[in-house]
Amino acid sequence: QVQLQESGPGLVKPSETLSLTCTVSGGSISSSSYYWGWIRQTPGEGLEWIGSIHYSGSTFYNPSLKSRVTISVDTSKNQFSLKLSSVTAADTALYFCARRFENGYSHMDVWGQGTTVTVSS
Amino acid sequence: DIQMTHSPFSLSASVGDRVTITCRASQSIRTYLNWYQQKPGKAPKLLIYTASNLQIGVPSRFSGSGSGTDFTLTISSLQPEDSATYYCQQSYTMPWTFGQGTKVEIK
Repeated sequence: QVQLQESGPGLVKPSETLSLTCTVSGGSISSSSYYWGWIRQTPGEGLEWIGSIHYSGSTFYNPSLKSRVTISVDTSKNQFSLKLSSVTAADTALYFCARRFENGYSHMDVWGQGTTVTVSS
Repeated sequence: DIQMTHSPFSLSASVGDRVTITCRASQSIRTYLNWYQQKPGKAPKLLIYTASNLQIGVPSRFSGSGSGTDFTLTISSLQPEDSATYYCQQSYTMPWTFGQGTKVEIK
């Protein structure tokens, strides 16, 4: 059974870069049928899809965040990562990593438990 | 971006009641619609994918229907453990977008 676990700092200073890692266990990240992505949740904005990556390296980003987001994959460690630059208080959120099954249709079928990131000096 | 709108915003129902939640897309998304359940402090859990397909392990009292712009999630007989917020999400075009959710409470 595939499980995902987010890790990273819970506090980031304004203007700095938020960095999170998602570790995949119980399965391989190198599967052609899956993309691996990040979603965040705030009380005001609700659930917001940030972006996703395939093990081959192809990425898709939300245009609203694209200029600040980088998602990368490390198949040797079975991990993928999120970097969000120039953060502000508006980036304070609960961040989830998730697996997306893709066969023309797509859905996010496995989620990490989430990690709270606060942007504050 | 495609906007997803839930109705109602919240509801309160009794155990055993039939509950229906509606999600409307701002444009046609064919059947590219997924439903998730989220309990406080937990990650969303996939219930229904592609509008009407029940995810493995999800109780059969959950069902989904619809196509185009209008979709419904039905709980045929509400159980205490169904108290949660339910979200629809479109996967027709990126960026994937979610509705604001419907909170279901047990009377």
